[in-house]
Amino acid sequence: NAGVTQTPKFQVLKTGQSMTLQCAQDMNHEYMSWYRQDPGMGLRLIHYSVGAGITDQGEVPNGYNVSRSTTEDFPLRLLSAAPSQTSVYFCASSHSGAGEQYFGPGTRLTVT
Amino acid sequence: AQKITQTQPGMFVQEKEAVTLDCTYDTSDQSYGLFWYKQPSSGEMIFLIYQGSYDEQNATEGRYSLNFQKARKSANLVISASQLGDSAMYFCADPYNQGGKLIFGQGTELSVKP
Repeated sequence: NAGVTQTPKFQVLKTGQSMTLQCAQDMNHEYMSWYRQDPGMGLRLIHYSVGAGITDQGEVPNGYNVSRSTTEDFPLRLLSAAPSQTSVYFCASSHSGAGEQYFGPGTRLTVT
Repeated sequence: AQKITQTQPGMFVQEKEAVTLDCTYDTSDQSYGLFWYKQPSSGEMIFLIYQGSYDEQNATEGRYSLNFQKARKSANLVISASQLGDSAMYFCADPYNQGGKLIFGQGTELSVKP
């Protein structure tokens, strides 16, 4: 049981490049979410999903896209990277809407 | 809108002593409870403890306990008998609207002194 996995662990992008951060979970959780963590701040919600085919925006969605075609996977796409998107990105999943969230190890993204 | 406030950016505690980390929630929507997570310097998010809004008793999990005061909208984390390995960032978070998402406080950095 791998839990929540994220790839890559580290990534450096140039401004304007696009990329996809991968997130997968093997716990059959319906709920998945993406957060970003900036220095001195808590995690902020980017996008979330309550099941396959259903996604919604969180607090800071601009510049990011998501889709949820399967229960297991919830990729996060950066459309045109900007230095302001330099951050650590966490994916999480939970069995219920108010239940414990299981976090992936995070992806550290630097945009130059 | 939900807002979670942690007013202590940094705390120090002597090894083997108890420490309380503060968390208050300001909610216009119904709050379903509060989570506490630990983030060591390695970066992973570790679930510590959860208190449901309707739980009668304060939650306890080993050396961690919650001092949940609904009237004050606070859910403070108490760590008893601090250990050096407790040095980390601590976040409280609210699973608002039961949408499988959390709103986080700003965090408290705890340093345990030997």
